[in-house]
Amino acid sequence: GDSVTQMEGPVTLSEEAFLTINCTYTATGYPSLFWYVQYPGEGLQLLLKATKADDKGSNKGFEATYRKETTSFHLEKGSVQVSDSAVYFCARYNFNKFYFGSGTKLNVKP
Amino acid sequence: DTAVSQTPKYLVTQMGNDKSIKCEQNLGHDTMYWYKQDSKKFLKIMFSYNNKELIINETVPNRFSPKSPDKAHLNLHINSLELGDSAVYFCASSRGGGGTEAFFGQGTRLTVV
Repeated sequence: GDSVTQMEGPVTLSEEAFLTINCTYTATGYPSLFWYVQYPGEGLQLLLKATKADDKGSNKGFEATYRKETTSFHLEKGSVQVSDSAVYFCARYNFNKFYFGSGTKLNVKP
Repeated sequence: DTAVSQTPKYLVTQMGNDKSIKCEQNLGHDTMYWYKQDSKKFLKIMFSYNNKELIINETVPNRFSPKSPDKAHLNLHINSLELGDSAVYFCASSRGGGGTEAFFGQGTRLTVV
């Protein structure tokens, strides 16, 4: 069935390190793809999105490119900060539902 | 102004009780959702409503009954609470259709003792 798979965490990085969180999807048709971020004790906030193949979403230094050929939407950031510590969720939307990956916890150490 | 607000934020109750969680959105969205987040942070859709009509019910026990009095509100009533119902419940809304993101409430942490 349709699903979203993202790398397991936690991911621990030092400040200013490069970040990649992998996300792949299986879906019927061409879903819209999203990355959401959840800070402790809060709801999910949209980080970025892409609605069609080869689209690149970007926000706050984070980027992800919709790759139809590899069915992937990997999240990257060139230089992480302590304030980026959170749980990151990859998601897809089609057929009236948002499907979420299992979440990847990121810890950034000073 | 909070876009999607849900109350209460915390709810501690005994097994067997009945409780409700309320959700309101002021974004003018047509579609609203309830998600359940377990202790491992996994998010699972429970229900989706579009213009007050139920469009998705993801094999949720019938102890859970959503109600949408109008398209800005989607409440969740839970009967005969069980220990396994302990989780964080998130309400969300979206315009519907591809490309539009979901906006989430702050969550309701339900603890059944």
